[in-house]
Amino acid sequence: EVQLVESGGDLVQPGGSLRLSCAVSGFTFTSYWMSWVRQAPGKGLEWVATIKPDDSEIYYVNSVKGRFTISRANTKDSLYLHMDNLRAEDTAVYFCARHDCGGIGCFPQTFEYWGQGTQVTVAS
Amino acid sequence: IQMTQSPSSLSASVGDRVTITCRANQFIDTFLHWYQQKPGKAPKLLIFAASSLQSGVPSRFSASGTGTEFSLTISSLQPDDVATYFCQQSFSTPPWTFGQGTKVEIK
Repeated sequence: EVQLVESGGDLVQPGGSLRLSCAVSGFTFTSYWMSWVRQAPGKGLEWVATIKPDDSEIYYVNSVKGRFTISRANTKDSLYLHMDNLRAEDTAVYFCARHDCGGIGCFPQTFEYWGQGTQVTVAS
Repeated sequence: IQMTQSPSSLSASVGDRVTITCRANQFIDTFLHWYQQKPGKAPKLLIFAASSLQSGVPSRFSASGTGTEFSLTISSLQPDDVATYFCQQSFSTPPWTFGQGTKVEIK
């Protein structure tokens, strides 16, 4: 069974930093593209960042470029999101998601599996 | 690429046929997917590539479309279908974008 479990969400002051983690199981982590998607209170879904299995391709939404860093530890079956210079508008539930792309040469299309999310609140 | 869903919310009776529309502001072929999110839960993939049903999803869900116009249909609305539905495009490289969501309730 595919499982993704996020952790690390917290209340942080504007300008602060936070690192989110996502521990996965039930599939070969080293084969799959992974992403973070967030959802502000009462709002829709916003894709945040994506990383290829071998780290050779990384993408960010414009609003977090230069502040957030997505990374992965393939030996630990874990995905991370390091967030610096946090703003009030970063307040959201952050979901870890596994893409449908798990083979050589494929490019991800869907967010096939999701974690339960972790709450990040940026406020003074 | 901007995705626009309509309506933003709807209320229908059990057994009704319900249709949600998603429009892209540029051509996205069939790189369009649908998700269901129940209150307090993570989204769940329902439909991929515009019309393909994800494994385990009830057959009352169907979808169609290509280019810029897409739709998701629930043929006979059930109480378990109360949720917010999102479309998502994956045309070309990121940014991938979602529609704003359609909240479905039982009348």
